[in-house]
Amino acid sequence: KAGVTQTPRYLIKTRGQQVTLSCSPISGHRSVSWYQQTPGQGLQFLFEYFSETQRNKGNFPGRFSGRQFSNSRSEMNVSTLELGDSALYLCASSLASGFSGNTIYFGEGSWLTVV
Amino acid sequence: GENVEQHPSTLSVQEGDSAVIKCTYSDSASNYFPWYKQELGKGPQLIIDIRSNVGEKKDQRIAVTLNKTAKHFSLHITETQPEDSAVYFCAASTNFGNEKLTFGTGTRLTIIP
Repeated sequence: KAGVTQTPRYLIKTRGQQVTLSCSPISGHRSVSWYQQTPGQGLQFLFEYFSETQRNKGNFPGRFSGRQFSNSRSEMNVSTLELGDSALYLCASSLASGFSGNTIYFGEGSWLTVV
Repeated sequence: GENVEQHPSTLSVQEGDSAVIKCTYSDSASNYFPWYKQELGKGPQLIIDIRSNVGEKKDQRIAVTLNKTAKHFSLHITETQPEDSAVYFCAASTNFGNEKLTFGTGTRLTIIP
């Protein structure tokens, strides 16, 4: 069974640009959540989508957005990139929405460098 | 909002010894506490979790304890092996309203052969 697939794995962008990252969940999983991991701030929850609807949201500015398609694949977008957006962006999928008692499976992440 | 503190940030133990990582949380409404292991170049992987109505849970060499009164929970790894070397994260979440998964800052565990 294929795991969570994230593309691209590595990318470099310039300040002010925007970026779109893609996530394909495990087959049959309907929930996709996104996380930012940096050395300074650690692992932080961005948002979660279930059945094409954003169900839960972390404390990130509106420059960070996402969506989910009818096949459960998800994309996240960061607009007007800042140097501080350089991070590993992780996607995770699960069968149900939420986290309590719901095992989430992480992908290997997309490394974003903003220069 | 929820705040999760994790200690220590680094931990080295001799192979075969036990390792303990501790976390405290601030939101008394949190009721789900997972632990993740992240190996180099990979995403985090759930290794064990516990709900607030349980005080302890064990899975082979790994155990988690929860003290709701003190708002802290701990990961215990016994008979450590080299493959246990990784970064470990604790986390806390509620299961109502806007659910967020709040992570600790991570512990880099090194097993010395």
